[in-house]
Amino acid sequence: EAGVTQSPTHLIKTRGQQATLRCSPISGHTSVYWYQQALGLGLQFLLWYDEGEERNRGNFPPRFSGRQFPNYSSELNVNALELEDSALYLCASSLIVMNTEAFFGQGTRLTVV
Amino acid sequence: SQQGEEDPQALSIQEGENATMNCSYKTSINNLQWYRQNSGRGLVHLILIRSNEREKHSGRLRVTLDTSKKSSSLLITASRAADTASYFCATSRDSGNTPLVFGKGTRLSVIA
Repeated sequence: EAGVTQSPTHLIKTRGQQATLRCSPISGHTSVYWYQQALGLGLQFLLWYDEGEERNRGNFPPRFSGRQFPNYSSELNVNALELEDSALYLCASSLIVMNTEAFFGQGTRLTVV
Repeated sequence: SQQGEEDPQALSIQEGENATMNCSYKTSINNLQWYRQNSGRGLVHLILIRSNEREKHSGRLRVTLDTSKKSSSLLITASRAADTASYFCATSRDSGNTPLVFGKGTRLSVIA
């Protein structure tokens, strides 16, 4: 069974540009979560999607947005990139809500120059 | 905001020794989970302990949970060089409608 897949693995953008990150959850998982991990820091919750709807949002500005498609894959968009957005972006999926284990992808390393 | 806080931030031990990492959290929880991260890549789930459990084992891992102190510990016995990684605790709150909240992690180095 395929795990959570994320693309691209690495992404380099210049300040002010937009970045699009993609995630495919494990088959059968309807919930997708996005986390940001800046260098040396823990995981900061960004967004949670379930059944195509945004269920919860972390303390991030509106230029961080996303969506979930009918096949449960998800996209994270970051507009007007700032240098501080450089981080590892991790996607996770789980069955329904996170009262069971979450399965993480390998992440997208976003570098803003 | 961070819910869990791991302690210590970094730990260095010799192969064969035991490693203990602690986690403290602030609010009531449904369960607490421990994850491992190798070299800044994806996280791998290690073990989940529910709020009504006090201790759980999985192979060389032992997790304890003290809800009165809002704390948990992860013990790795007979450590190996391959255990070198960052370890994170994550809490799932009572409501069940909130995402996992992670601490900042403990960086474990096991020296061969």
